[in-house]
Amino acid sequence: DAMVIQNPRYQVTQFGKPVTLSCSQTLNHNVMYWYQQKSSQAPKLLFHYYDKDFNNEADTPDNFQSRRPNTSFCFLDIRSPGLGDAAMYLCATSRDRVYVNEQFFGPGTRLTVL
Amino acid sequence: GESVGLHLPTLSVQEGDNSIINCAYSNSASDYFIWYKQESGKGPQFIIDIRSNMDKRQGQRVTVLLNKTVKHLSLQIAATQPGDSAVYFCAENPDTGFQKLVFGTGTRLLVSP
Repeated sequence: DAMVIQNPRYQVTQFGKPVTLSCSQTLNHNVMYWYQQKSSQAPKLLFHYYDKDFNNEADTPDNFQSRRPNTSFCFLDIRSPGLGDAAMYLCATSRDRVYVNEQFFGPGTRLTVL
Repeated sequence: GESVGLHLPTLSVQEGDNSIINCAYSNSASDYFIWYKQESGKGPQFIIDIRSNMDKRQGQRVTVLLNKTVKHLSLQIAATQPGDSAVYFCAENPDTGFQKLVFGTGTRLLVSP
């Protein structure tokens, strides 16, 4: 089945230790998104890629970076995680950037910062 | 650790009842709206969507109503089942020239047998 896959599902890191979260998709979608979701809150968009074009949200901290080496994969890098970065990180895809349609979400990676 | 989140509004219903979950959106220029269901520890799952040129759309057991005059969106679930228990989010596309979903606060639906 076509899907969005996130690895790992659970990630524990230490305060200040860089961490990378991974997302892959078999949908062949042009757009990939990263969201941060804290407990009992709505997902908040961090950035998205349209093909190789990176688009950062204005309020996304510099501590968060992303890479998209090819259509299928996208990575979220947190350079120096703080306690406030503990959250669920959701990857999503959509077919197109201009014609709006549903976004397909992965299962998420829950990040714990010690 | 993770910061304490906001307390989610909760709707409690009995199995078999109809549920109505409401959402107020912020941007009168938004042209697309979508409802997601999120179960604990999982990613959001698409339920139904609607474009701004419509005021009602029906799916299997679900109906979305859009009232642009008061910027209000609702999700109706018929014959609610225990498996419907989850957090439901509405999201809008604010028509920024590209697709960007802005999520609402979310409502927790609890269905008792």
